[in-house]
Amino acid sequence: NAGVTQTPKFQVLKTGQSMTLQCAQDMNHNSMYWYRQDPGMGLRLIYYSASEGTTDKGEVPNGYNVSRLNKREFSLRLESAAPSQTSVYFCASSDTGVDFGPGTRLTVT
Amino acid sequence: GENVEQHPSTLSVQEGDSAVIKCTYSDSASNYFPWYKQELGKRPQLIIDIRSNVGEKKDQRIAVTLNKTAKHFSLHITETQPEDSAVYFCAAYITGNQFYFGTGTSLTVIP
Repeated sequence: NAGVTQTPKFQVLKTGQSMTLQCAQDMNHNSMYWYRQDPGMGLRLIYYSASEGTTDKGEVPNGYNVSRLNKREFSLRLESAAPSQTSVYFCASSDTGVDFGPGTRLTVT
Repeated sequence: GENVEQHPSTLSVQEGDSAVIKCTYSDSASNYFPWYKQELGKRPQLIIDIRSNVGEKKDQRIAVTLNKTAKHFSLHITETQPEDSAVYFCAAYITGNQFYFGTGTSLTVIP
């Protein structure tokens, strides 16, 4: 049981480049989330998916898109990266409490 | 939507003393309140939780209390140890909705 897995762990992008962060969970959870964490800002919700086939915007969705590929996988895409998107990104899933992935540290130069 | 406020943002205690972190929420529909501990460079991990039909829950040195009338809940850590040093997050959840997190409390336990 791997829990929530994310790839990559680290990434450096130049402004304007695109990339997709991958996330998968093997706990058969219906709900999945993408958060970003910045110093002093806590965990801010980007997008969430309450069930397969549905996605909803969170607190800070601008500049991001998501795909709930199936029940296990929920990806986050940055179409044109900006320095303001430098952050640590956590994928998570939930049944009762939230289980977090290990995080992706993204730097946009 | 729900709004969760967490205080204090930083907390320093002497080893062996108690630490208390408080959170308030705004939406009376919230019915589940987990607490997470995040060590430096790691993911947040669930340490204790409480549901709206319970007033208090304890697990060894940590306890959580919930006051539904006042819409606040608190984390209590007794006999603190250096390994308790971390950032702690509270959260509120509405069934079928999403988790709303507080902004975190950085706890330092001084040996």
